[in-house]
Amino acid sequence: EVQLVESGGGLVQPGGSLRLSCAVSGFTFKSYSMNWVRQAPGKGLEWVAYISDSGTTTHYADSVKGRFTISRDNAKSSLYLEMNSLRDEDTAVYYCVKYITTWGKGTLVAVSS
Amino acid sequence: DIQMTQSPSSLSASIGDRVTITCRASQDVSNYVAWYQQKPGKAPKLLIYTATTLQSGVPSRFSGSRSGTDFTLTISSLQPEDVATYYCQKYYSAPYTFGPGTKLEIK
Repeated sequence: EVQLVESGGGLVQPGGSLRLSCAVSGFTFKSYSMNWVRQAPGKGLEWVAYISDSGTTTHYADSVKGRFTISRDNAKSSLYLEMNSLRDEDTAVYYCVKYITTWGKGTLVAVSS
Repeated sequence: DIQMTQSPSSLSASIGDRVTITCRASQDVSNYVAWYQQKPGKAPKLLIYTATTLQSGVPSRFSGSRSGTDFTLTISSLQPEDVATYYCQKYYSAPYTFGPGTKLEIK
């Protein structure tokens, strides 16, 4: 069974940093591109970042470019999202997504003073 | 960047009704459009990919179609468990933009 489990969310002050992790199991992680998608409270889905299967190619939404970094460790079957210079508008549930097919349950990031 | 618009933003229908939701891309995205269902408090679930392919395990009352840059999700006979918000997404190239969503309720 494919499983994606996000962790690392929490309350952080504006300007602060946070690192999200996604541990996966049930599929060959190194063979799939991965995405982070977020959803602000009561709002729609927003694609955040993409990383290719090898990790050599990444793409970011304009809203996070220069502040967030997506990475992966294929040996550990893990995906990461390093978030810096956090803003109030980054408050959301962050989902780890295998390609487009399977989503984790999400982890909540709250940016507030 | 390519924009994805969805209509309607909300709709109310009766059990057994045929329901249609439309997504329009501002430019060509080939067939690389997916549809998701999200129930309150849950993660989205993939229903349709490459515009018309039903994801494994998804009931056959769901179907997708394409006409140029217009994409349609159809529920042939609405069931109570279909109450949810539905999103389209283009994944032809980054950014992998979502539509704003369609909230479906039972009348």
